[in-house]
Amino acid sequence: DAKTTQPPSMDCAEGRAANLPCNHSTISGNEYVYWYRQIHSQGPQYIIHGLKNNETNEMASLIITEDRKSSTLILPHATLRDTAVYYCIVRVAAGANNLFFGTGTRLTVIP
Amino acid sequence: DSGVTQTPKHLITATGQRVTLRCSPRSGDLSVYWYQQSLDQGLQFLIHYYNGEERAKGNILERFSAQQFPDLHSELNLSSLELGDSALYFCASSGPLGTLAKNIQYFGAGTRLSVL
Repeated sequence: DAKTTQPPSMDCAEGRAANLPCNHSTISGNEYVYWYRQIHSQGPQYIIHGLKNNETNEMASLIITEDRKSSTLILPHATLRDTAVYYCIVRVAAGANNLFFGTGTRLTVIP
Repeated sequence: DSGVTQTPKHLITATGQRVTLRCSPRSGDLSVYWYQQSLDQGLQFLIHYYNGEERAKGNILERFSAQQFPDLHSELNLSSLELGDSALYFCASSGPLGTLAKNIQYFGAGTRLSVL
């Protein structure tokens, strides 16, 4: 699986968009980008995933660059409940089944 | 609600003791994964079971073992407990192997183990 790099922490004002970047410059053609988050001491929660097209669901949007070497998770209107650690994970359908959670980005939404 | 149930929520025990953590996966999911999260540490993969069979082991100590039963619930057994075993233990379930669904894991609320 490709290695990912995320900033250790970010702040965002409540009500504003939170844009969380992830670098995955060694991603291969069949690897998908997944985002999870973990609100303090709760179980991680799946957010969204994508291959090369931008994706949107009820929780967030995922923007993947054309060269697929980086992506951005967008929370359009951040709330205090979005304060969490966000993990970017690159995976294929085959291969190892467990997820590798790196250090992620600690997002703090400020009132 | 993820659909994954873990019991108990909290467990307090003494060093040297043995405990059992239980996990019921989402309806229809055959995979169960166990992860450990120590204080201020990342999530560490312990072990994966699929339809009753062990599929992969991660950083699981020899004092720890797990199994998945015919009804697909899983138990993680921790023995000869040490202070350093205090952690959050999460289980997760996912869809079929070899598909993208296996990368979407649904996590339980965790069991907080305190070894005193």
